[in-house]
Order: sequence, then structure tokens, then C-alpha cells
Amino acid sequence: GIQVEQSPPDLILQEGANSTLRCNFSDSVNNLQWFHQNPWGQLINLFYIPSGTKQNGRLSATTVATERYSLLYISSSQTTDSGVYFCAVEDDKIIFGKGTRLHILP
Amino acid sequence: NAGVTQTPKFRVLKTGQSMTLLCAQDMNHEYMYWYRQDPGMGLRLIHYSVGEGTTAKGEVPDGYNVSRLKKQNFLLGLESAAPSQTSVYFCASSQQGYFSYEQYFGPGTRLTVT
Repeated sequence: GIQVEQSPPDLILQEGANSTLRCNFSDSVNNLQWFHQNPWGQLINLFYIPSGTKQNGRLSATTVATERYSLLYISSSQTTDSGVYFCAVEDDKIIFGKGTRLHILP
Repeated sequence: NAGVTQTPKFRVLKTGQSMTLLCAQDMNHEYMYWYRQDPGMGLRLIHYSVGEGTTAKGEVPDGYNVSRLKKQNFLLGLESAAPSQTSVYFCASSQQGYFSYEQYFGPGTRLTVT
């Protein structure tokens, strides 16, 4: 089946820093979404982005489907950005990566 | 709008006991999903529904049953709980589309099977 790899697995940054999270997938996919799970466990959808680029405030995402990767950019990090970021793809099955754990220090 | 709610928030079961988790959404969404999340892992799809009265298997359906008698509710049942079913269970809903629309998640149910 399709493999989803996220990198880095862990990231510690100072407040105000920028970061790039990567999601690689091993085969072509129909759909791709990014999610944020906050330290209390709540999951929020960030982007539905099977291809192209989207922006929402300090967050943006780019998916290059032909090269089988997606990037999530976080600019001017805030402590509320802490948590785990998941990439998930769909090729008939919905497959989540293991996530990138982000810790923003005040 | 409450969004997606889950009942209960926590539960401890003994091996062999049964229980039902309730998910409710007030967004008139067609699609609903049940996932489980194990420590250090992403989510895995258990079952999903594409509309009232329908259910379908996801990636890890064994040991679970579901029902969608009303559009706003999606129930997940464990007939004979096993320690391997200790997990956090998340319900989600989306307006349309299997994974082609934004998914909205409930707060989760933490289940421990001893």
C-alpha cells in the first residue's frame, strides 16, 4: 500500500521563527489534507490540497503531485502553533502519516 | 452550532464487555467517519458512512460495528472489547466526498480496555 512519510518527526523552535514541514507519499493520490492536533488532542483541518498552493493567514501549503510531496509552511510561529501536524492522503484508502511534533518556545 | 460531539469522553471497559460510542453532528453533513488513534501514530479509518442508512468498512474494521439510522448520528459499537482496542476514538464528518472535502472532528473518546 501507499506509504506516507513526514519529516522532521520533531521540531523545537523559538516563537517568531518560520518552519517547513514535509510530507512524502510513495504513489499518486486522489486527495491530500493537512491537520493540526493541539496539545489537548483536538484535530483541526488546515488544508485540503491535492495540488497547487493555498494560504490561510500565517500558514500555507504546497502540493506537487507529480513529485509526490507536500509542504506546510508556518511563518512567525506562535506558542499556539504547538502540537502535531499530520498529512493524510487518499487513494481509495485514507492513510495518515505519523506526524511532525512541533514545540514553539515562548 | 456544536459541530461534532462525541459521547462519552472517557470509558474503561473490562475485556469482553460491550459498549457504544455516539457521534452527533449538526452541520447536515452527508459523510461521517470513525477513526482510532494509537500512541505516536496517525489516525486509522475504522468505518465510514456516505449517508443515512449506509455504512462501509475502512482500513481496520474488525471487532467494530456501526450504524447510521439518522443522518446526524453515527454509532460505533464494540461487541466484545479486547485490550488491543484501547485507543482514542475520533469521529469526523464532511459535507460530501470520501476525502475530497474538509473533515470536521469531534473531541475524541479515550477508551481503555483492561
